[in-house]
Amino acid sequence: AQTVTQSQPEMSVQEAETVTLSCTYDTSESDYYLFWYKQPPSRQMILVIRQEAYKQQNATENRFSVNFQKAAKSFSLKISDSQLGDAAMYFCAYRSDDYTGANSKLTFGKGITLSVRP
Amino acid sequence: SAVISQKPSRDICQRGTSLTIQCQVDSQVTMMFWYRQQPGQSLTLIATANQGSEATYESGFVIDKFPISRPNLTFSTLTVSNMSPEDSSIYLCSVERTSGTSTDTQYFGPGTRLTVL
Repeated sequence: AQTVTQSQPEMSVQEAETVTLSCTYDTSESDYYLFWYKQPPSRQMILVIRQEAYKQQNATENRFSVNFQKAAKSFSLKISDSQLGDAAMYFCAYRSDDYTGANSKLTFGKGITLSVRP
Repeated sequence: SAVISQKPSRDICQRGTSLTIQCQVDSQVTMMFWYRQQPGQSLTLIATANQGSEATYESGFVIDKFPISRPNLTFSTLTVSNMSPEDSSIYLCSVERTSGTSTDTQYFGPGTRLTVL
């Protein structure tokens, strides 16, 4: 079974600075997807970024980018130019690459609470 | 992405009663999922709801406690039966497309916050 580990329960960053959130995972599969989701106090789960394991290039979405290290099974999220609205809980998640749909479920890490200091 | 709504957004219920949560999507999707998020915790998958077949439950979750319906490709319900305070959680539905753009990515509804007294 796959596992996702987020070992840092909390982090804090100064507004306009850069912060990196860590995530490691364990799997025996070679093809899979990794995601970062954001959950603000409104509790809505918002997709931040997605990475396909077969792609060597790291995914980027505006101020958000990842450092995907497949061999090390590491998937960190970098937030540049942090804004007050980035304060939320961030979850790392794993999904098998299974076109039958049988393994479409997401396996989540425990999450990390990010606070942004003005 | 997809526009997903859930009803109710929150509820306070008495133990021993049941609550049905609705999830509506603005377009047809193949896969719908139900998750539970206990206070301060991560998300745990309850079951996968596929149209035209029985829901597939994860270990630790049973149909008698969490019956699910999926009558069409845009709608699903989750019932929390015979509730106890331990069922107090946020319940979230999510959807995933298997064709078109953004496949293999789950998008979530706003969640239902349930408190059981």
